[in-house]
Amino acid sequence: GENVEQHPSTLSVQEGDSAVIKCTYSDSASNYFPWYKQELGKGPQLIIDIRSNVGEKKDQRIAVTLNKTAKHFSLHITETQPEDSAVYFCAATGGAGGTSYGKLTFGQGTILTVHP
Amino acid sequence: GAVVSQHPSWVICKSGTSVKIECRSLDFQATTMFWYRQFPKQSLMLMATSNEGSKATYEQGVEKDKFLINHASLTLSTLTVTSAHPEDSSFYICSAHSLGSSYEQYFGPGTRLTVT
Repeated sequence: GENVEQHPSTLSVQEGDSAVIKCTYSDSASNYFPWYKQELGKGPQLIIDIRSNVGEKKDQRIAVTLNKTAKHFSLHITETQPEDSAVYFCAATGGAGGTSYGKLTFGQGTILTVHP
Repeated sequence: GAVVSQHPSWVICKSGTSVKIECRSLDFQATTMFWYRQFPKQSLMLMATSNEGSKATYEQGVEKDKFLINHASLTLSTLTVTSAHPEDSSFYICSAHSLGSSYEQYFGPGTRLTVT
């Protein structure tokens, strides 16, 4: 099955700096890679996603890049703000059909802290 | 759009009793719903995949007789934790996959279960 590794486990930045979180995946058939933001005591919130036919996607201060050959994808947050502080999870899916369709495999999570 | 609710948001029950958690897609139809479990400071672990009108598919190591899942309609799935024990205490989160959508999953706010 799919295996997703996420780094770093914790990331501390100053307000205004950029933050980068990286993930690698094992199943070359995976073709959908979402990123989720989870605040304490809440469910994950989809913040951006990318499909395997796209190399980069941007939404305001957030961008995701995908390297299919190397099987890794990254989340980039620019001009970080204190409200960006949360746990971020990467995930991968799409490798199989039938009952496996849509099953997300999550990375271990990154605790991002943005200091004012 | 794409709102998923869970009820209750938190519940405390005594050991040996059963607890039912509801997951609803409020503004879309969900052909598939997923149930996750999350321990403190850990990632989300998929428990089972629930398809409307059919039996749930459980992940390896998840006891289907203990975690009963029902997906009776396109907007409602329920998870019943039977004969709960303290080790079942956890954060349970559902997600819903929209009918007609490729891969996007939308997560509920989670249910905190504490078994005393």
